[in-house]
Amino acid sequence: EVQLLESGGGLVQPGGSLRLSCAASGFTFSRYGMSWVRQAPGKGLEWVSGISGSVGSTHYAASVKGRFTISRDNSKNTLYLQMSSLRVEDTAVYYCAKIPAATTVHYWNFDLWGRGTLVTVSS
Amino acid sequence: QSVLTQPPSVSGAPGQRVTISCTGSSSNIGAGYDVQWYQQLPGTAPKLLIYGNNNRPSGVPDRVSGSKSGTSASLAITGLQAEDEADYYCQSYDNSLSGPVVFGGGTKLTVL
Repeated sequence: EVQLLESGGGLVQPGGSLRLSCAASGFTFSRYGMSWVRQAPGKGLEWVSGISGSVGSTHYAASVKGRFTISRDNSKNTLYLQMSSLRVEDTAVYYCAKIPAATTVHYWNFDLWGRGTLVTVSS
Repeated sequence: QSVLTQPPSVSGAPGQRVTISCTGSSSNIGAGYDVQWYQQLPGTAPKLLIYGNNNRPSGVPDRVSGSKSGTSASLAITGLQAEDEADYYCQSYDNSLSGPVVFGGGTKLTVL
């Protein structure tokens, strides 16, 4: 079965760090770009970061640049998001999403989503 | 506020046709970048409905369609059904500091 499974969410204090993981199965993980998209409680979708399949080029939203780092381990079929200097406004459900083709960021869209993992930043 | 503007809500009766607009600018839709649409049912992850402006992934019914013109795009759903009640989001690429990947603010579709 083709699926994505996020983990690593939880409660963290402002200024703290957290690492999210996304385990992929059912497809050749290394061939596809991957992204993180978040959704604050009761709010809309916000793209966070993305990484290409082979070359591993990365892109970030301005709101997280310099604080979050996306990476992947193709040998483990796993995507990561290292989050540091967390702020209250980073509180959200974080979704892992697959990009359906080997394209540049200009053509990115997301054809497979995980169920999400909740990150709560609060003192 | 979102770079792509959507109406907060739309509604329609079963069997009717509804459209949801997505208005952008010269740095995204107007620059020729593709528009995608996602459906998010309550309590679930988003699902890709339309990609590349007007293409449906396998499994999406043909009563769902997308179009793009100038700096705007639209999602149309005909033969409205109760199961269509959900939040809908447009998405594109933006070549300004707001990008690179941007979503609309979302539209809640209510089936009356």
